[in-house]
Amino acid sequence: DAKTTQPNSMESNEEEPVHLPCNHSTISGTDYIHWYRQLPSQGPEYVIHGLTSNVNNRMASLAIAEDRKSSTLILHRATLRDAAVYYCILRNTIQGAQKLVFGQGTRLTINP
Amino acid sequence: DVKVTQSSRYLVKRTGEKVFLECVQDMDHENMFWYRQDPGLGLRLIYFSYDVKMKEKGDIPEGYSVSREKKERFSLILESASTNQTSMYLCASSFPRTSRHVHNEQFFGPGTRLTVL
Repeated sequence: DAKTTQPNSMESNEEEPVHLPCNHSTISGTDYIHWYRQLPSQGPEYVIHGLTSNVNNRMASLAIAEDRKSSTLILHRATLRDAAVYYCILRNTIQGAQKLVFGQGTRLTINP
Repeated sequence: DVKVTQSSRYLVKRTGEKVFLECVQDMDHENMFWYRQDPGLGLRLIYFSYDVKMKEKGDIPEGYSVSREKKERFSLILESASTNQTSMYLCASSFPRTSRHVHNEQFFGPGTRLTVL
């Protein structure tokens, strides 16, 4: 699985947008970009995924660079409940790998 | 909503004891996984199963075994617990990767924090 690089930690204020970056310079053409997050004392949960185009869902937006070597998870209006560790993961949907390979992720702190 | 439950949130065992961690999912998922999570090492896959009675080793299977006798239940077994198996254990489940479930997101349980004394 190709490697991703994320900042160890980020901090933001409640009700402000948050942009969580992820670098994946060795991404292959068949790798999808997935984001999971892990709230305190819980297991990880799926947030969003994309291939080339920007994606939106009820939880977040995913902006993917044109060369696909980086992406940004956007929380449009952070709440205290968004404080979590956010993981950016590449998944190759052709090779059939079933496991998720988690890096260290970004620990997001939200200030009231 | 998908629900993945684990038998205990916290467990304390002694070195040498046999330990069973149970995981149950209610979404009829074929795939089930056991991960462990340690500070600085992230989540690492121990074993996974893609069908009843089928299992595959993950990245760190040593010291563990698994059992999948029913589709909804996946057990992780520590035959003789050791202190280096003190960790957070996370179970997950998903559909298999098919044309219908290309991205087969994984659904995680709340975790079991195991301490081996």
